Amino acid sequence: IAGITQAPTSQILAAGRRMTLRCTQDMRHNAMYWYRQDLGLGLRLIHYSNTAGTTGKGEVPDGYSVSRANTDDFPLTLASAVPSQTSVYFCASSGQRGSPLHFGNGTRLTVT
Amino acid sequence: AQSVTQLGSHVSVSEGALVLLRCNYSSSVPPYLFWYVQYPNQGLQLLLKYTSAATLVKGINGFEAEFKKSETSFHLTKPSAHMSDAAEYFCAVSDRMDSSYKLIFGSGTRLLVRP
Repeated sequence: IAGITQAPTSQILAAGRRMTLRCTQDMRHNAMYWYRQDLGLGLRLIHYSNTAGTTGKGEVPDGYSVSRANTDDFPLTLASAVPSQTSVYFCASSGQRGSPLHFGNGTRLTVT
Repeated sequence: AQSVTQLGSHVSVSEGALVLLRCNYSSSVPPYLFWYVQYPNQGLQLLLKYTSAATLVKGINGFEAEFKKSETSFHLTKPSAHMSDAAEYFCAVSDRMDSSYKLIFGSGTRLLVRP
């Protein structure tokens, strides 16, 4: 079934540790995104990529980095996790301007 | 900069009653507009979208939304609520002039349906 796969599903991480959240899509979409979802704040854009080889900063990029080496993969890295990064992280993709985003099932991350 | 405001973090209705979830946007030109639904412990699912055709947009599960440029609104409605409609609903906007395709989301409205 075509779609977006995120891994892991959930993770508990000690503060200061490095963590990479994985995201893979098989729809050949050009654009990919990382959002975090926090109670009362909705979804906030962390980073995005319009096409392989390019990335951009969203609303809340600090403490996160991304790479887009190919069309399918868009990993999100926390270099040194802090408790405020406890959240649910969603990866999404889009084929063209004005198209809806397709979302993965999310990664629930707890930083202790 | 674009923004989306959803009035009411929680809306409670009786089963069979009208559902009205409010969304107002801020954009220099009419944007693309979307409504998503999120059921507990799941990802987001598209309900409907407005791109530039008819201002009244019909979506899945009996929901519809009307784009009103003069009011900068895109409210979501459903004539008769079902228990299965209980979920969180997000309005989102995408700027037609932006070089990326990114969506900006509202803070969400949790719909509670009373028996």
